[in-house]
Amino acid sequence: NAGVTQTPKFQVLKTGQSMTLQCAQDMNHEYMSWYRQDPGMGLRLIHYSVGAGITDQGEVPNGYNVSRSTTEDFPLRLLSAAPSQTSVYFCASRGGGKRTDTQYFGPGTRLTVL
Amino acid sequence: AQTVTQSQPEMSVQEAETVTLSCTYDTSESDYYLFWYKQPPSRQMILVIRQEAYKQQNATENRFSVNFQKAAKSFSLKISDSQLGDAAMYFCAYSSSTSGTYKYIFGTGTRLKVLA
Repeated sequence: NAGVTQTPKFQVLKTGQSMTLQCAQDMNHEYMSWYRQDPGMGLRLIHYSVGAGITDQGEVPNGYNVSRSTTEDFPLRLLSAAPSQTSVYFCASRGGGKRTDTQYFGPGTRLTVL
Repeated sequence: AQTVTQSQPEMSVQEAETVTLSCTYDTSESDYYLFWYKQPPSRQMILVIRQEAYKQQNATENRFSVNFQKAAKSFSLKISDSQLGDAAMYFCAYSSSTSGTYKYIFGTGTRLKVLA
């Protein structure tokens, strides 16, 4: 049981490049989310999913796309990277049906956009 | 909209002493969860403790306990017998499913330093 895994751990991009951050969980959790963490701002929700085929926007969705074709995977796509997207990105998953349950986090991806 | 506020950007405590980290939140919902997460230099987010709003009893986990004041919308974390390994960023978080969105809202964090 690996929990929530993220790849890569570190990435450097040039402005305008695209890339996909991978996230997978093996706990059969329905809910998955992507957050970005910036100094002094805590974690902010980018996109989330309540099940395969269902996604929705969070607080800071601009510049990011997501899809959820399987329960296990929830990739985050940067279509055209900008320096403002330099951040640490966390994927998280949660089970729990209709009642809120504990959220488990991946190890994070540090992204630098030059 | 719900908000979570951590007014202490940084705190220090002597090893073996007790420290309390503050968190306040704002919500109009009656059914929700509150959490404290620890983030050490490794960057991993680790759940420290959780509190269900409908439970009046304060949650405890070994050296960690909370003071949950629902009417005051306050949720502080007390760390007893502080250890060097407790040094980290601590985030308070709120979650509710009554709005149907299942989102977590985080505070901006408190950096805890433990002095030997």
